[in-house]
Amino acid sequence: QIQLVQSGPELKKPGESVKISCKASGYTFTDYAMHWVKQAPGKGLKWMGWINTYTGKPTYADDFKGRFVFSLEASASTANLQISNLKNEDTATYFCARGESGGDYFDYWGQGVMVTVSS
Amino acid sequence: DTVLTQSPALAVSLGQRVTISCKASESVSSSSYSYMHWYQQKPGQQPKLLIYHASNLESGVPARFSGSGSGTDFTLTIDPVEADDIATYFCQQSWNDPPWTFGGGTKLELK
Repeated sequence: QIQLVQSGPELKKPGESVKISCKASGYTFTDYAMHWVKQAPGKGLKWMGWINTYTGKPTYADDFKGRFVFSLEASASTANLQISNLKNEDTATYFCARGESGGDYFDYWGQGVMVTVSS
Repeated sequence: DTVLTQSPALAVSLGQRVTISCKASESVSSSSYSYMHWYQQKPGQQPKLLIYHASNLESGVPARFSGSGSGTDFTLTIDPVEADDIATYFCQQSWNDPPWTFGGGTKLELK
């Protein structure tokens, strides 16, 4: 069955970096894009961007340009999200979600990774 | 960016019919498709796709869920509401160019 399994929770200090992974199984990894979605505590969902799993090209929403990097370990069917220079407002749950290249809807989601940024 | 507006909360009774609305700041429909999708999220869980392209039921989703609408006004209907349906529901649009946006969510609560 199709699964997206994400790495575990993270506790970081402001200014540090974090790398979250999302391992896909049950389908051909390069046939679908991987999208990233942020959910701050008690808040709604915010689309961060996506990575073309065939070419490796990332596309970022405006609010996520600069400190956020999407990458792949295609041989391991894994997508990664790295956030550098962490700020308190980065405290959130980050989801990976499978979708068509470019967008449309997201049919499978990872379980989410809670990142807490606190001094 | 396309803004999606949902009512924050809705109180329901088990067994009744409930409609959850989502209004877009611009049309998200073409002549072929409406680029509006619906998700269910329970506390501590990831969102789950229920409806895509406004009215298509995702595989495995119970038939008591349905979606309708076009242009700027869309509706998710649950009939009848079961206890397992108590959750937050988000609409999401994928019209034209990114960014893809979500509504603020409607939390379904028991009366």
